[in-house]
Amino acid sequence: AQSVTQPDIHITVSEGASLELRCNYSYGATPYLFWYVQSPGQGLQLLLKYFSGDTLVQGIKGFEAEFKRSQSSFNLRKPSVHWSDAAEYFCARSNAGKSTFGDGTTLTVKP
Amino acid sequence: EAQVTQNPRYLITVTGKKLTVTCSQNMNHEYMSWYRQDPGLGLRQIYYSMNVEVTDKGDVPEGYKVSRKEKRNFPLILESPSPNQTSLYFCASTFGGEQFFGPGTRLTVL
Repeated sequence: AQSVTQPDIHITVSEGASLELRCNYSYGATPYLFWYVQSPGQGLQLLLKYFSGDTLVQGIKGFEAEFKRSQSSFNLRKPSVHWSDAAEYFCARSNAGKSTFGDGTTLTVKP
Repeated sequence: EAQVTQNPRYLITVTGKKLTVTCSQNMNHEYMSWYRQDPGLGLRQIYYSMNVEVTDKGDVPEGYKVSRKEKRNFPLILESPSPNQTSLYFCASTFGGEQFFGPGTRLTVL
């Protein structure tokens, strides 16, 4: 069964600092990978997605992610975090309609 | 406006009383899904549908039913709800791999 692991339950960074959220997926052919963000009391919003091609993908709000097949990873990065980035972040993979989400990483931003 | 709607948004019910949560999308998407979200467990897929009359189980289908009689609607049915189905439920439709989520339905089963 496909799986997605987000090793960090909670991360705290200072505003303006860089951010990296980790995501590992179980091996499978042609993974479709995603990062979503959920603000408190809100639904989920897609940040970025990877299907194939360039392994560095750009998303909204200044986020990017790098697909590394050798490490089965799809880590999310942002060079400078803003207070409004505080939220819960989910990594996900899908295959023909079936989707699996990680347990999420809660990001706290210190002033 | 392109959107996924769910009703009701909040529901408190009692064990064993059948309920239906509706989901509708106006984007003509073929794929639709239902998820439940529980603290510390992320989103877990309950059922998904690849088109009208085509549905399949996700990771946690026990205790739930779905139907897809029309492309726009994908209701979630709990025939006999139990307290362990207390959760936040999201419906989503998918196009080009991107999932568009509804606002969520918070269900409490007493």
